[in-house]
Amino acid sequence: RKEVEQDPGPFNVPEGATVAFNCTYSNSASQSFFWYRQDCRKEPKLLMSVYSSGNEDGRFTAQLNRASQYISLLIRDSKLSDSATYLCVVNLVTTDSWGKLQFGAGTQVVVTP
Amino acid sequence: NAGVTQTPKFQVLKTGQSMTLQCAQDMNHNSMYWYRQDPGMGLRLIYYSASEGTTDKGEVPNGYNVSRLNKREFSLRLESAAPSQTSVYFCASSEEGLAGVVTDTQYFGPGTRLTVL
Repeated sequence: RKEVEQDPGPFNVPEGATVAFNCTYSNSASQSFFWYRQDCRKEPKLLMSVYSSGNEDGRFTAQLNRASQYISLLIRDSKLSDSATYLCVVNLVTTDSWGKLQFGAGTQVVVTP
Repeated sequence: NAGVTQTPKFQVLKTGQSMTLQCAQDMNHNSMYWYRQDPGMGLRLIYYSASEGTTDKGEVPNGYNVSRLNKREFSLRLESAAPSQTSVYFCASSEEGLAGVVTDTQYFGPGTRLTVL
């Protein structure tokens, strides 16, 4: 079983609409959670960290559900420029897993005019 | 600042050939990483270097070697390339936070697209 699992999509979203998707993680000891964004044939870049109480960054809202071991990302008022693959990233943070992030395979979002 | 740079951007090798992928960062980060990304799979850690002079294996180290040449540079070597090593390779770096704890944000280079025939 993969450590971090995501629905690969694609999620086809009309411009201006809202889209949300989840990511599940297998290790309950995971401590840090992130969403990275990866444009086609480009490098991943940090979109936002995910905090226990949930957090927003502009049109993006991230939530963490430790009991069910998933994190979510919601994008409001989608823009064409939001088209990308969103990578769910989890950090276990133990002496053995120092700095070793676990990446999901990504969820593709396609925003259409 | 250029951030993290990688060379080459593209490479085609024949089975059995060797090559070195170069990576450099100008952010004064202590920690550097090499990942590979394959379709349908998340990035997988090949090797990492917590600080200059140290390297450790990641999840998929077989067939690779690394050298942390100095604080800026971290190279990845394929001694005898195999078709299974066809992939996109990303180098990344991260800064060291308080009390030596590595922060979570990793900065990635643009990647090297490697094809092994």
